[in-house]
Amino acid sequence: KQEVTQIPAALSVPEGENLVLNCSFTDSAIYNLQWFRQDPGKGLTSLLLIQSSQREQTSGRLNASLDKSSGRSTLYIAASQPGDSATYLCAVENSGYALNFGKGTSLLVTP
Amino acid sequence: GAGVSQTPSNKVTEKGKYVELRCDPISGHTALYWYRQSLGQGPEFLIYFQGTGAADDSGLPNDRFFAVRPEGSVSTLKIQRTERGDSAVYLCASSLYSGASTDTQYFGPGTRLTVL
Repeated sequence: KQEVTQIPAALSVPEGENLVLNCSFTDSAIYNLQWFRQDPGKGLTSLLLIQSSQREQTSGRLNASLDKSSGRSTLYIAASQPGDSATYLCAVENSGYALNFGKGTSLLVTP
Repeated sequence: GAGVSQTPSNKVTEKGKYVELRCDPISGHTALYWYRQSLGQGPEFLIYFQGTGAADDSGLPNDRFFAVRPEGSVSTLKIQRTERGDSAVYLCASSLYSGASTDTQYFGPGTRLTVL
């Protein structure tokens, strides 16, 4: 059974800092890995999707990397802003449909 | 365009009652998914539909849970004889295809179920 772990569970940084969120998974036979953002009381918003054959994806200030062989992914956020405050979830797709999620990293960016 | 919508947004019920949760996927999306998110946890997979049929219902916790998608669009998650442990946020997602490595799932805002 795929196990997804996210470290740290919570993170507080001052505005403007660059930061890294970590995700690890136990089964490397994946279709893809996705990073989501979840705001309180709201659903999930997909940020980046990395296919199993890819090493990284970038969108604006976000960069996600994937090392399938070691079962790791990182989400890099550059020049953090208070609006980035949210919970970030890592999800791995093994079956072609069901996502296996970590518990998330709760991020607070202070002005 | 409209995203995935879920109704109701909040549902409070008493132990032992029956509840129905509704999901309207993005138009044209053939795949639909239900997840359950307990407090402090990531979402957990419940069931996946491809068209009208449940392709995988292995995540449903027990036979009190059932889901349908009769016309291949709207889906209803049904919970019989609710228990306090069923309290969670129930999330619905849809995607254009399934089995494609680029297939992004789009999530609705969820239904927060509270069983007293």
